[in-house]
Amino acid sequence: SQTIHQWPATLVQPVGSPLSLECTVEGTSNPNLYWYRQAAGRGLQLLFYSVGIGQISSEVPQNLSASRPQDRQFILSSKKLLLSDSGFYLCAWSVRTSGTEAFFGQGTRLTVV
Amino acid sequence: GENVEQHPSTLSVQEGDSAVIKCTYSDSASNYFPWYKQELGKGPQLIIDIRSNVGEKKDQRIAVTLNKTAKHFSLHITETQPEDSAVYFCAASTSGYSTLTFGKGTMLLVSP
Repeated sequence: SQTIHQWPATLVQPVGSPLSLECTVEGTSNPNLYWYRQAAGRGLQLLFYSVGIGQISSEVPQNLSASRPQDRQFILSSKKLLLSDSGFYLCAWSVRTSGTEAFFGQGTRLTVV
Repeated sequence: GENVEQHPSTLSVQEGDSAVIKCTYSDSASNYFPWYKQELGKGPQLIIDIRSNVGEKKDQRIAVTLNKTAKHFSLHITETQPEDSAVYFCAASTSGYSTLTFGKGTMLLVSP
């Protein structure tokens, strides 16, 4: 069966520090991968999605970037965090066909102080 | 692009009552409509979905209806229980695109 791992579960970082959140998927090949952000416990904002290694689409220009170094690995990064980057970050995957469900990880609660 | 509106933002019901959450979408080409339940501090989980060639789908106490003409779909939960309390999201996906567009969520509170 397929599983998605996302870590860390919680993170407190000072303003200006770098960020690296990692997500890996097991039990499937060539998945679509996604990073979402959820502010104030509501609303899922799509940040990035990837349909293959090295292929990243950005939905919202901001202080974050994403990379997909391996087929089932998706990384969310920032060089310098802002207070406004605080939120609940969710990684998700889906099969390579449109019109299918997305499977979410358990999320990372990021607090920038 | 697709735009999904979800109402209400908060819904409080008594245990045993029914709950209805409604969503509208803008892109007539959308053909897949999932509903997710998110418990506090966790990732969303799919509870039911419907495709554009179906008008209604039921799974025990949960049902979803779709009106393609009006471009709206609804989640119905009957005989609500306290463990149904969570945030519920609707979403829509357009053929040819691999991303889901989500509504802003409904916080459902079921009081015992």
